[in-house]
Amino acid sequence: NAGVTQTPKFRVLKTGQSMTLLCAQDMNHEYMYWYRQDPGMGLRLIHYSVGEGTTAKGEVPDGYNVSRLKKQNFLLGLESAAPSQTSVYFCASIRRGAGQAFFGQGTRLTVV
Amino acid sequence: EDQVTQSPEALRLQEGESSSLNCSYTVSGLRGLFWYRQDPGKGPEFLFTLYSAGEEKEKERLKATLTKKESFLHITAPKPEDSATYLCAALPNFGNEKLTFGTGTRLTIIP
Repeated sequence: NAGVTQTPKFRVLKTGQSMTLLCAQDMNHEYMYWYRQDPGMGLRLIHYSVGEGTTAKGEVPDGYNVSRLKKQNFLLGLESAAPSQTSVYFCASIRRGAGQAFFGQGTRLTVV
Repeated sequence: EDQVTQSPEALRLQEGESSSLNCSYTVSGLRGLFWYRQDPGKGPEFLFTLYSAGEEKEKERLKATLTKKESFLHITAPKPEDSATYLCAALPNFGNEKLTFGTGTRLTIIP
């Protein structure tokens, strides 16, 4: 049982490049979340999903897009990366009604 | 707007010196209040869930409590291995699934 797996773990992008971060969970959880974590800022919610085919904006959605085509996967896309998107990205999943979030190990993204 | 505020930002304690971390929250109805531990370079690790005012949960040297406006994480006789960043998060009532985190308290236990 792997829990929540994020791919890749590290990535360096040039300004303007695009990429997709993958989050996969094998716990059949309904809710999935993408956060970014910056020094002194805590975990800030980018986008989230309450079920397959549905997504919603969080606190800092600009510059990001997401998709949840399958219940177990939640993709975070950067269409045109900017240095301000340098951060550590965490994915989390929650079973409806339970509340406890399970986190992936994070993706460290650097945009130069 | 839902808000979670943690204090202090950083705390240094001598080994064995007990203290408390604070988490105050403003959400549209509280479904659950969560505490996590995060070590450098890793994802947050779940510690406790609290659902209603007056509830308490304990695990080793940690005890979490909840009131209608805030939660406390009490650390009794801490050891160096308790050094980490402690995060709290609030999940509002059904219909609003945003899990909102505070900025965390960075705890350092000095041997």
